[in-house]
Amino acid sequence: GNSVTQMEGPVTLSEEAFLTINCTYTATGYPSLFWYVQYPGEGLQLLLKATKADDKGSNKGFEATYRKETTSFHLEKGSVQVSDSAVYFCGLTSGTYKYIFGTGTRLKVLA
Amino acid sequence: DTGVSQNPRHKITKRGQNVTFRCDPISEHNRLYWYRQTLGQGPEFLTYFQNEAQLEKSRLLSDRFSAERPKGSFSTLEIQRTEQGDSAMYLCASSFSGVAVLQETQYFGPGTRLLVL
Repeated sequence: GNSVTQMEGPVTLSEEAFLTINCTYTATGYPSLFWYVQYPGEGLQLLLKATKADDKGSNKGFEATYRKETTSFHLEKGSVQVSDSAVYFCGLTSGTYKYIFGTGTRLKVLA
Repeated sequence: DTGVSQNPRHKITKRGQNVTFRCDPISEHNRLYWYRQTLGQGPEFLTYFQNEAQLEKSRLLSDRFSAERPKGSFSTLEIQRTEQGDSAMYLCASSFSGVAVLQETQYFGPGTRLLVL
């Protein structure tokens, strides 16, 4: 079945450090891939998405490229801020309305 | 605020009691989803409505769970005879079906956190 695996947290970085959160997937067909972010006390918000191979999703300085050959969708940001501290969820949907999420990665950014 | 809203935000109940949660989607959205999120895990799909029709149910949704969306607007999720294993965050999401399914975006509410004692 379809599944998503993402790196365990917490990931702790200093402000302005480079961020990578790894995400790999298993899916039949041609899924859409996405990253959602969950700030403390809030609901999940879509951060970025990509719907086909080699697409790059980007938002708020975050980027992720849909790599079909490595079945990956790693999240990157060149310079993190304290306000980026949150839980990040990688996920996919593959032709149905059901979203499948990874377990989440908590990011802590220290000033 | 025109986002997805959920009530209550927190619920504490004793084992064996019934609980009901409400979700109000974004007004023009015709699709509505329920997910469950346990500690340290990502959200897991429970069920999905298009307008008032419940089109898919996960195997996670036991007979004690029932969801309705009577007029195609708000939805309720009821859990009967709650068990401690039902303790989780229950998330609602909505989307608009006017685009291809892979282009749709689900918008999530803040969730209802249930604790069963």
